[in-house]
Amino acid sequence: DTGVSQDPRHKITKRGQNVTFRCDPISEHNRLYWYRQTLGQGPEFLTYFQNEAQLEKSRLLSDRFSAERPKGSFSTLEIQRTEQGDSAMYLCASNDRVPYNEQFFGPGTRLTVL
Amino acid sequence: GESVGLHLPTLSVQEGDNSIINCAYSNSASDYFIWYKQESGKGPQFIIDIRSNMDKRQGQRVTVLLNKTVKHLSLQIAATQPGDSAVYFCAEKKEGGKLIFGQGTELSVKP
Repeated sequence: DTGVSQDPRHKITKRGQNVTFRCDPISEHNRLYWYRQTLGQGPEFLTYFQNEAQLEKSRLLSDRFSAERPKGSFSTLEIQRTEQGDSAMYLCASNDRVPYNEQFFGPGTRLTVL
Repeated sequence: GESVGLHLPTLSVQEGDNSIINCAYSNSASDYFIWYKQESGKGPQFIIDIRSNMDKRQGQRVTVLLNKTVKHLSLQIAATQPGDSAVYFCAEKKEGGKLIFGQGTELSVKP
């Protein structure tokens, strides 16, 4: 257990539905990252926050995706109008702003879109 | 564009042998690399890191070597154990702290 938790661990949904995932980082970490991982691939960066500010979004993050970190603590990732191609593991990670500090990953939320 | 890639998707070793997992990168300005281990159903777990001003770093049973001339890094695991079976990723840390991962090498340890 790294101290980063994600909920739910698994989500099965039908195409076209909206889903929301939650990440609780390590409490003193001010940076929070979201990644997506498909089978057999390495994680791909989606977006990151420093405190409550969303500082970067990947081209992978289409306009159906939105992420928030309203109080600079937990974060949510919402996918609207899910598509089968959204099926993946969604990973959250956190660390301090201090350079070269380890990034701790949560266990991920596995999304299956039917 | 930037990329980090691994040479082999799978590696099978005998328990007790040493394992070497390789990774190549494309950006000569890359500054910081990390090796992660990912077991089935879990998130990546930090193993060891190395900055570009170093060419070798050692941890417990693991060593990372960085060759900036050929843009190559490797992870060496000594006396490989069954618990080392996992997928190993090299990653490059970019501005803002985001990580760019390679595709991974699946290490299988035969008893």
